[in-house]
Amino acid sequence: GAVVSQHPSWVICKSGTSVKIECRSLDFQATTMFWYRQFPKQSLMLMATSNEGSKATYEQGVEKDKFLINHASLTLSTLTVTSAHPEDSSFYICSARDLAGARETQYFGPGTRLLVL
Amino acid sequence: GQQLNQSPQSMFIQEGEDVSMNCTSSSIFNTWLWYKQDPGEGPVLLIALYKAGELTSNGRLTAQFGITRKDSFLNISASIPSDVGIYFCAGYTTSGTYKYIFGTGTRLKVLA
Repeated sequence: GAVVSQHPSWVICKSGTSVKIECRSLDFQATTMFWYRQFPKQSLMLMATSNEGSKATYEQGVEKDKFLINHASLTLSTLTVTSAHPEDSSFYICSARDLAGARETQYFGPGTRLLVL
Repeated sequence: GQQLNQSPQSMFIQEGEDVSMNCTSSSIFNTWLWYKQDPGEGPVLLIALYKAGELTSNGRLTAQFGITRKDSFLNISASIPSDVGIYFCAGYTTSGTYKYIFGTGTRLKVLA
């Protein structure tokens, strides 16, 4: 299957700082990527849909000024958690939409664990 | 956000037993995907289904796209200890917004 990478895999930061997480599709182009957040023992919660060359679409309740998304190329989307607070600590996972052969598939990155002190 | 009903929520089984889990929705989906997630990692795609009634296998795994397009099931035959993990279904819809809706997850534990 297609490969999606995420960097960093984990990060610890001080409250008030900003953290950038990168999501890359390594062997395919992705016009659409998704950002999810996952709390312990829960399912994935979609935060936003990242579209190459245009603004991201945020889910209800997700602050777009807090979680900045940039999808500058067909293989890279970034999520920046601005002015992070302890409640932002979570597991963040990206995915990339693969339309190869016109069949809809979504591949996930390995996730980034964020701990805000 | 919206989630699919997935059952069972968790299950303990003996090694060698078969496992069955399902996902239901009130909405119609065009695509059903099944994923497995290990602790601290991202979900890994197991099987993708694209047509109502489609039955697809991947090794010991078999999944079916329900004929009504509102449900899907996943079977694991002859379970082994490494099948432990959380299994998620995901439905993709093209009505309204184009996005994936995830199931609540089935936590599987295999007793050796």
